[in-house]
Amino acid sequence: GAVVSQHPSWVICKSGTSVKIECRSLDFQATTMFWYRQFPKQSLMLMATSNEGSKATYEQGVEKDKFLINHASLTLSTLTVTSAHPEDSSFYICSARSSGGPNTQYFGPGTRLTVL
Amino acid sequence: AQSVSQHNHHVILSEAASLELGCNYSYGGTVNLFWYVQYPGQHLQLLLKYFSGDPLVKGIKGFEAEFIKSKFSFNLRKPSVQWSDTAEYFCAVTQTSGTYKYIFGTGTRLKVLA
Repeated sequence: GAVVSQHPSWVICKSGTSVKIECRSLDFQATTMFWYRQFPKQSLMLMATSNEGSKATYEQGVEKDKFLINHASLTLSTLTVTSAHPEDSSFYICSARSSGGPNTQYFGPGTRLTVL
Repeated sequence: AQSVSQHNHHVILSEAASLELGCNYSYGGTVNLFWYVQYPGQHLQLLLKYFSGDPLVKGIKGFEAEFIKSKFSFNLRKPSVQWSDTAEYFCAVTQTSGTYKYIFGTGTRLKVLA
């Protein structure tokens, strides 16, 4: 149980285009999902907290207009990187916290974004 | 502000050696503590967690961790490592209320030599 999927697993796009990444909790409902960014050989940096049916809460320094987050249902959150640039190339990871469950996050496999 | 520090950035051990990875956090309130492992090319997996009760927590694959409140520490241990334990290990802390967001340590890269 407690499986989180991400799609796509990797994506290559041209500079200036937008990319959407999906995060799904497959076997549980998640009122809260989290989006992280992981640079090579570094730890995970929290970008934003996504709550179902409300606006995401962004961490300091994260541009909300560039990283659009939508948490439309209890099993799906999306991260859209708008007008992507090479510096946005990174590994994006989502996690989900079960509604009413213990305070534990379950992580997706990540999405490798490369912007040319 | 909350922070988590992992003192060992890179650890190299031979098989059967004992392992201890340090994790210290700074937060004065009640916390939940976690250790996650990331095997090469794979996603983060939960090794073990501490919410309350017995401060010695046992996790999967023979790992355990001890919560020492007075030292703000949650060190990970394994008596005898295997080559398959080669991975990156992350300590994480979260508050017990509010946003429940994790604060991650910088990670420790463990390499076990066969």
